[in-house]
Amino acid sequence: EAGVAQSPRYKIIEKRQSVAFWCNPISGHATLYWYQQILGQGPKLLIQFQNNGVVDDSQLPKDRFSAERLKGVDSTLKIQPAKLEDSAVYLCASSFDRTGRHEQYFGPGTRLTVT
Amino acid sequence: AQKITQTQPGMFVQEKEAVTLDCTYDTSDPSYGLFWYKQPSSGEMIFLIYQGSYDQQNATEGRYSLNFQKARKSANLVISASQLGDSAMYFCAMKRGGYQKVTFGTGTKLQVIP
Repeated sequence: EAGVAQSPRYKIIEKRQSVAFWCNPISGHATLYWYQQILGQGPKLLIQFQNNGVVDDSQLPKDRFSAERLKGVDSTLKIQPAKLEDSAVYLCASSFDRTGRHEQYFGPGTRLTVT
Repeated sequence: AQKITQTQPGMFVQEKEAVTLDCTYDTSDPSYGLFWYKQPSSGEMIFLIYQGSYDQQNATEGRYSLNFQKARKSANLVISASQLGDSAMYFCAMKRGGYQKVTFGTGTKLQVIP
């Protein structure tokens, strides 16, 4: 079974530029999460999708961040315009309720550097 | 507010010894789940173990066990027979609510000494 795929793995942009990250979850996983992990901190949930609907986006800075999950499969997270404080690793995860546990499977992450 | 607290920013353990990583949580939901994830220096997050709030027994997965004390709202991870490959960041996380919202703690950095 293929894992969660993310691209790109690394991205360097200047502040005020825009950037987009892509995530393809494990096949059949209904729930998809985007996290921001700043160096030395735990992951912070940005947005959670259940199929193609948003369940939680309370911590998403909506003035600059947007995300979509068309057709309930892969997802794109966009930042426009980027700020220095957006430098972080962006993790995508997916889960499926086989046993009631909903453990999350994570992709390798995208390391964003804003200069 | 739903919250996860990991009070140990860093821990050292001798190889082959056991180590306990602390995690306390706060939630008003009667139904919730607790996870531990490992994040090596390479960056990927790896699921280790899960404990449901209604589970009667403490969870175990190989060398990992979860010391679940519901009244104290604690869910400590015990790693037995530590190995050098166990050196990593360890995160405690909690899911609750109908849509399984997940909150992570700040992590504990474990270093295994040969």
